[in-house]
Amino acid sequence: GAVVSQHPSRVICKSGTSVKIECRSLDFQATTMFWYRQFPKKSLMLMATSNEGSKATYEQGVEKDKFLINHASLTLSTLTVTSAHPEDSSFYICSASLGAGWEQYFGPGTRLTVT
Amino acid sequence: DAKTTQPPSMDCAEGRAANLPCNHSTISGNEYVYWYRQIHSQGPQYIIHGLKNNETNEMASLIITEDRKSSTLILPHATLRDTAVYYCIAGANSKLTFGKGITLSVRP
Repeated sequence: GAVVSQHPSRVICKSGTSVKIECRSLDFQATTMFWYRQFPKKSLMLMATSNEGSKATYEQGVEKDKFLINHASLTLSTLTVTSAHPEDSSFYICSASLGAGWEQYFGPGTRLTVT
Repeated sequence: DAKTTQPPSMDCAEGRAANLPCNHSTISGNEYVYWYRQIHSQGPQYIIHGLKNNETNEMASLIITEDRKSSTLILPHATLRDTAVYYCIAGANSKLTFGKGITLSVRP
């Protein structure tokens, strides 16, 4: 299957700072990338969908000014958690797809801890 | 996306076939059935998907009933590394709505 990487795998930051997470599709060009969040013992929740070169579409309840998504190329999307707070501590997972109707390939996830 | 229903958990013996059921009685004609799995603290892994016909790949087989209201994922020879949460998702576009999934425990 296709390979998607995320960096960093773990990050600890102080409350009020911003954190950037990178998601890369390594062996295919991803028209669409997705960002999910998963709290302990819960299922994945979709945060936003991004298409290369256009603005991300956020799910209801997700603050677009707090979770900045950039999808500048067909192989890279970034999620920036701005002014992070302890309640933003979670497992953030990206996925990449060739487009509508195609399966998604997931990255290994980034564990964010805000102290 | 159509809602799917899965039992919360099941187990099977190593080396035996694991048959994971999924109900999607409200599935629309253009919605696919996708299966993913998530091993603890990792990103989900794509397994297989199908629309109407049964599908098989190197990981698993997907059996979809003729009325498409349910499906079964079959892992033909389960190993301890197949212990994971398995998600059955019905959807027509790229968006995936994850439910609680079924926790498969493979015992030695």
